[in-house]
Amino acid sequence: DARVTQTPRHKVTEMGQEVTMRCQPILGHNTVFWYRQTMMQGLELLAYFRNRAPLDDSGMPKDRFSAEMPDATLATLKIQPSEPRDSAVYFCASGLVQGRTAGYTFGSGTRLTVV
Amino acid sequence: DAKTTQPNSMESNEEEPVHLPCNHSTISGTDYIHWYRQLPSQGPEYVIHGLTSNVNNRMASLAIAEDRKSSTLILHRATLRDAAVYYCILSGSGAGSYQLTFGKGTKLSVIP
Repeated sequence: DARVTQTPRHKVTEMGQEVTMRCQPILGHNTVFWYRQTMMQGLELLAYFRNRAPLDDSGMPKDRFSAEMPDATLATLKIQPSEPRDSAVYFCASGLVQGRTAGYTFGSGTRLTVV
Repeated sequence: DAKTTQPNSMESNEEEPVHLPCNHSTISGTDYIHWYRQLPSQGPEYVIHGLTSNVNNRMASLAIAEDRKSSTLILHRATLRDAAVYYCILSGSGAGSYQLTFGKGTKLSVIP
């Protein structure tokens, strides 16, 4: 089965450092999501893209977070500067949407710890 | 956004059928009903989705009420591996988005 690949799987960083998380969506998928999961807040949608264009990033703290898709095979989520409250598991998901909804495939996540 | 209501938790005996309910009384005509599940320490996993008609796949069945205000995910024979949080989500063409907004879901426990 095709997979969404996220790197790194785990990241421990010090407060104030820049963190970059990467996602390789499934080839041919035109929609990419970034989610953050914590025990308190559950799964929160941060941003999503259609055909590499950002559709909505209203769930993302704009002052420190940024999401991009430099090409169709790579999506990135950056945090600069990182803070302890950013500690969470970050998931990427991709899917093919062509005028109707589809099932989305999630990656295994990046577990971020900011100390 | 259209909201869904699910029980916080359910229990099932192994090898018995499980019916997971979801209410979505404010569903719009273009909203699809999606179900995802999340096993411990894993990312969410697509289970099934439908619009109006009942749907079956290798994992589960989705029964949609005639008025579409509720639906039921049916696991025909629960196994220990089915213990997970199950999310019922509405996703549609509003603003052309088809985004997924997760609620708290139903935590399913399977008893051996």
